[in-house]
Amino acid sequence: AQKVTQAQTEISVVEKEDVTLDCVYETRDTTYYLFWYKQPPSGELVFLIRRNSFDEQNEISGRYSWNFQKSTSSFNFTITASQVVDSAVYFCALSYFNTNAGKSTFGDGTTLTVKP
Amino acid sequence: EAQVTQNPRYLITVTGKKLTVTCSQNMNHEYMSWYRQDPGLGLRQIYYSMNVEVTDKGDVPEGYKVSRKEKRNFPLILESPSPNQTSLYFCASSPPVRMEYNEQFFGPGTRLTVL
Repeated sequence: AQKVTQAQTEISVVEKEDVTLDCVYETRDTTYYLFWYKQPPSGELVFLIRRNSFDEQNEISGRYSWNFQKSTSSFNFTITASQVVDSAVYFCALSYFNTNAGKSTFGDGTTLTVKP
Repeated sequence: EAQVTQNPRYLITVTGKKLTVTCSQNMNHEYMSWYRQDPGLGLRQIYYSMNVEVTDKGDVPEGYKVSRKEKRNFPLILESPSPNQTSLYFCASSPPVRMEYNEQFFGPGTRLTVL
C-alpha cells in the first residue's frame, strides 16, 4: 500500500527561525515521484518541488531546501529564516510512474504558523 | 493564462439532490483528478483520469461518478449527495507522470455543503 505520513500536524515558530517539515512515505514501486505543495490561507494549492526516485540530490531554492533520503523513505522540507508569509499548510505527495500512473497519495498536511 | 477552472465555487444543497461540479483545463493535460479536502485528513483522491474515456478510482470513490468525454473537461457527479460529502473539492490536471514537468495544477476549489 502507498502511504505518506506527515507526523507534524501543526508547527509554530517565530520569524527568522529555521523549521523542518517531515515527510515519510511508503511504496512498493521502485519508480515514483515525490512533491511538496503549499496551501496558503487564501486556499489555493501551489506546487513547490518535485523529486523522482532516481534523483537523491538535495535541492536549495532561496530559503527553501529539500532533503530526499531513499534509505529512510523521507523527503523533508526546511525553511531557513522563516517569514510570516511562509504561514500555510504544506502537503507532501507521492505519485506513481508505472503501476497506477495517475494515482496520487497526499499526506495529511502540516500547518505552519510563523509569528512576527 | 494557463488555468484549471471549477464551477460552482460554493454550493449549498440538500440530501439526495443530484449535482455536478464542472472542471476544465486549458493546458492540454492528459491527466486529471478530483480530490476532497477535509480537516485533518489532507487531500484524498476521489477519481483520476489518464486520458479521454480512461478513468479509475482513487482512495474515496464511493458516492461519486466522473466522466471524461473531452480532454479538457472532467466533471464530478454526485448522484445522491449526503451530508458526509460536505467538503472542499479540488480538481487538478497534469501532464503524464513520465514527463519531466509533471506537477499537478489545481483549480480554486469548490466548497460544498450538503444539508
